[in-house]
Amino acid sequence: GENVEQHPSTLSVQEGDSAVIKCTYSDSASNYFPWYKQELGKRPQLIIDIRSNVGEKKDQRIAVTLNKTAKHFSLHITETQPEDSAVYFCAASKDGGTSYGKLTFGQGTILTVHP
Amino acid sequence: NAGVTQTPKFRILKIGQSMTLQCTQDMNHNYMYWYRQDPGMGLKLIYYSVGAGITDKGEVPNGYNVSRSTTEDFPLRLELAAPSQTSVYFCATTPGTGVFGYTFGSGTRLTVV
Repeated sequence: GENVEQHPSTLSVQEGDSAVIKCTYSDSASNYFPWYKQELGKRPQLIIDIRSNVGEKKDQRIAVTLNKTAKHFSLHITETQPEDSAVYFCAASKDGGTSYGKLTFGQGTILTVHP
Repeated sequence: NAGVTQTPKFRILKIGQSMTLQCTQDMNHNYMYWYRQDPGMGLKLIYYSVGAGITDKGEVPNGYNVSRSTTEDFPLRLELAAPSQTSVYFCATTPGTGVFGYTFGSGTRLTVV
């Protein structure tokens, strides 16, 4: 089955700096890659996603890049703010067949933004 | 429109006890999932369902059972609770094929002592 590795496990930045979180996946058939943000004690919330027919997607200060050849994708947060502090999870899935939208999650990255 | 509702929010069980975690959605989504989240770890799939009457195992199904008698409800049953089942449990839904954005419930924090 699919395996998703996420790095780093913790990331500490100063307010205004950029943060980058990287994930690699094992199943070359995977074609959907979402990122979730989870604040302490809360449910995961989808912040951005990308499909394999696109190399990059941006939404204000957040961007995701995908390298299908190398089987890795990354989350980029620019101009970080203290409210960006949370745990971030990457995930992978594939459309069609018997996948049924099942997501395989990475282990998570604890991002801390210091004022 | 409540979205995905999970109950209870917190529960402490003794070893060997049983309980049912409830998940109800009012979005008419076909696909429903149960994940567990252990401290410092990502979410792992326990069971999933693609419609009423259809369920299947995920990555970590041992010690759990599910049923899906209606589109709205997808309860998760723990039989003979063990300390290894101490975790936060999330129910999630998505409309179906080709639409993947999960809507998560608020979670159930379960401690087995």
